[in-house]
Amino acid sequence: DAGITQSPRHKVTETGTPVTLRCHQTENHRYMYWYRQDPGHGLRLIHYSYGVKDTDKGEVSDGYSVSRSKTEDFLLTLESATSSQTSVYFCAISEPNNEQFFGPGTRLTVL
Amino acid sequence: SQQGEEDPQALSIQEGENATMNCSYKTSINNLQWYRQNSGRGLVHLILIRSNEREKHSGRLRVTLDTSKKSSSLLITASRAADTASYFCATGGGSQGNLIFGKGTKLSVKP
Repeated sequence: DAGITQSPRHKVTETGTPVTLRCHQTENHRYMYWYRQDPGHGLRLIHYSYGVKDTDKGEVSDGYSVSRSKTEDFLLTLESATSSQTSVYFCAISEPNNEQFFGPGTRLTVL
Repeated sequence: SQQGEEDPQALSIQEGENATMNCSYKTSINNLQWYRQNSGRGLVHLILIRSNEREKHSGRLRVTLDTSKKSSSLLITASRAADTASYFCATGGGSQGNLIFGKGTKLSVKP
């Protein structure tokens, strides 16, 4: 497996609370991505990063923010969690136009 | 919005048979990738085919790409029960190496 971990692996939280998910890599890949996976929708890109402090929005970025202060860490923050953000979140890493390596996922439940 | 659309959505075969999954997409691409996801796990990269390639092999996997028809197929030969998983195609072409995933084909291989 590529050196990519996600924490926490499972989280249950309440509507309106802030939540931060962490993605950590040991591969020194330049690009990092956050996806969410929901039944009937496949994987959808939330945000991505193409370098330290360089980030951009994906298809479903509303309600999410990201930060990347070091090459190895990419944080996804839900400022005020809503039930519609209940999902499985995957982080991925890559070099451009090459295969992406995925983390094990974080299952988030917002009550 | 999904770029790739897999067909069929679900496929059930017997061990030893071949499995064929198709992917259609809408816009020009730099590459097309296939991933496998076992239930409850992260995605695993299977194969990447670039827009100037027509066919690629990896073990029991064969991928074809027809850019004129904007379609690709994944063939798994001599399937095994362990091949049971969801298979996703993903198209790449963005300047930042973004991938757009289809909704997947759920393959069930019965022993």
